[in-house]
Amino acid sequence: AQTVTQSQPEMSVQEAETVTLSCTYDTSESDYYLFWYKQPPSRQMILVIRQEAYKQQNATENRFSVNFQKAAKSFSLKISDSQLGDAAMYFCAYRSANGNQFYFGTGTSLTVIP
Amino acid sequence: DAMVIQNPRYQVTQFGKPVTLSCSQTLNHNVMYWYQQKSSQAPKLLFHYYDKDFNNEADTPDNFQSRRPNTSFCFLDIRSPGLGDAAMYLCATSRDRQGVREQYFGPGTRLTVT
Repeated sequence: AQTVTQSQPEMSVQEAETVTLSCTYDTSESDYYLFWYKQPPSRQMILVIRQEAYKQQNATENRFSVNFQKAAKSFSLKISDSQLGDAAMYFCAYRSANGNQFYFGTGTSLTVIP
Repeated sequence: DAMVIQNPRYQVTQFGKPVTLSCSQTLNHNVMYWYQQKSSQAPKLLFHYYDKDFNNEADTPDNFQSRRPNTSFCFLDIRSPGLGDAAMYLCATSRDRQGVREQYFGPGTRLTVT
């Protein structure tokens, strides 16, 4: 089974600053999908951004962008201009192109300091 | 809006008393998932349905069962809840092999076992 590793259990960032959350994964597959999900305290898990492995261009969604390094099996999330509402648990997830299972990392708890 | 709905949002049951959690979706996704999530941990996949095909995770206890009577609904049955089964239970959906591949999550049901 694929494994997803988030080595930062907790991170903090000053409001309006930039923070990068790390994620690495282990796979022998060439075609897959990567995701970052956000789970605010006591609230619903929502998708932040996704990346298709066959795309070389890094995905961007407003203040959120990824640094996808396929050879290094690295998928980091950069949050620019951090806002108080960005405070949440962030999960990195992997999905094979040929399967339905998702593999989650252990999460990074992000605190935004006013 | 298309969505994933879970009922109830909070469920209290007694030790050993069977309980059923429900999930419905209006997305017409063919894959539905049940996850168990304990505090500050990653979601743990219990099982998923690909259409009517049931896929159980190897480490899911026999105490947990699931039913999917149609595309829209999926149920999680806990036959004899123990104190260790107290957790948030998340339902999610996705499409298989077509279009966007991310999961859509419901708000979760928080289960308390007394």
